[in-house]
Formats: sequence, C-alpha cells, structure tokens
Amino acid sequence: DVKVTQSSRYLVKRTGEKVFLECVQDMDHENMFWYRQDPGLGLRLIYFSYDVKMKEKGDIPEGYSVSREKKERFSLILESASTNQTSMYLCASSPTSELNTGELFFGEGSRLTVL
Amino acid sequence: GQNIDQPTEMTATEGAIVQINCTYQTSGFNGLFWYQQHAGEAPTFLSYNVLDGLEEKGRFSSFLSRSKGYSYLLLKELQMKDSASYLCAPMDSNYQLIWGAGTKLIIKP
Repeated sequence: DVKVTQSSRYLVKRTGEKVFLECVQDMDHENMFWYRQDPGLGLRLIYFSYDVKMKEKGDIPEGYSVSREKKERFSLILESASTNQTSMYLCASSPTSELNTGELFFGEGSRLTVL
Repeated sequence: GQNIDQPTEMTATEGAIVQINCTYQTSGFNGLFWYQQHAGEAPTFLSYNVLDGLEEKGRFSSFLSRSKGYSYLLLKELQMKDSASYLCAPMDSNYQLIWGAGTKLIIKP
C-alpha cells in the first residue's frame, strides 16, 4: 500500500514563528503536492513538485515555500506564520506513468493553529 | 473561470439509495474524480471517469456526461459508515484537480 506520512497531526504555533511541515512517501512517486483545506472551501493547491529540486506554484502560494531535496520528501515552510494560515494541511503524491489516472494518495493531514 | 457546484449537505436513511450531483466548468477536461473524506481524515479515492457513462464499483457508481459538465455519485444500500463528505474533482487541461467544497452526507438509522 502507498503510504504518505506527515510529520505532525496537530501543531500550535505563535504568529511570526517559522513552521516546517514534513511529508514523506514510500512508493517512489514523482509528483507531490501540498494543499490546505478550510471549512466550506474545496482543497486549494499551495505548491507542487514533479521532480527532485523542482517546484511549481499552485493557486495560493503566498506566505509559503517548499523544498524537495529528495524524491520521497516534500516540505512545506511557513516563513512567518500568521493567524490566517490556521488550517488543515494535506500532502499528497501520485506516480507519473501512462497508466496513471492522476489518482492522489493523501497523508493524514496536519492541523495547524496559529495563535 | 473554473467552477465546481455540488450540494453542501444531504441526508439519507440507512439501507436507502442517494445520488450526489456535481456540475463543473473547467479549462479543458481530463477526467473526473470522486473522493470520500471522513471527518478529521484524509480524502480517499472512490472513482475516476473519463468517458461518458456509468462506472460501477460495488455499492458505489459514478456517472459522467462531458457535454453537460455533469457527474453524479450513486451510493446504494447505505451504511452508517458512509457518513462522510464526498468531493467532486475534475481534472483540467494542465492535469490539475479542481476541487469542489464537498457534500456532507448524513446517514440516519
């Protein structure tokens, strides 16, 4: 089974703190994604990566950055956390292949509260 | 712009059938996904449609009409564990998923 693991299920941080959210997948997937999910809204794409050291902005990249130094790991960084970044953060991965439908495999999510 | 429309909440009875509709407008189209998400958990894949018609998978079926920009998820023989949110997500021309806000399905005994 594909496993996507996020480092923390729940975090509480203070405004201005630097926050790292880590995501690791064990199925050698090329593609990795970071989403945030807020009540009443669909998942919104923050950043994604199709390969090591490669990153692309999603729909809402402001206030975030990412790092992909190894294929299995995709990190989301909040340089200076703000209260409007309180949210559920979901990491996902998918393989690249002709047979791939684009199905995403999600981690359990990290619920971040910024005070 | 890109837009997904699905009901916010639906209620159904255990053992019954429920249909969750989704209409969409996207820039290009490369298939449509349905995901299930239980409260506090990550979404899990249910179905994928790229051609018109009905795809059946056990108690769940998904239908697609590309010309109408319309899909539905049909759940039969409802069980209490089916209480969850159901997310409709078409894939656009850039192979990016566009997510609806989801339909919260409440199952009553």
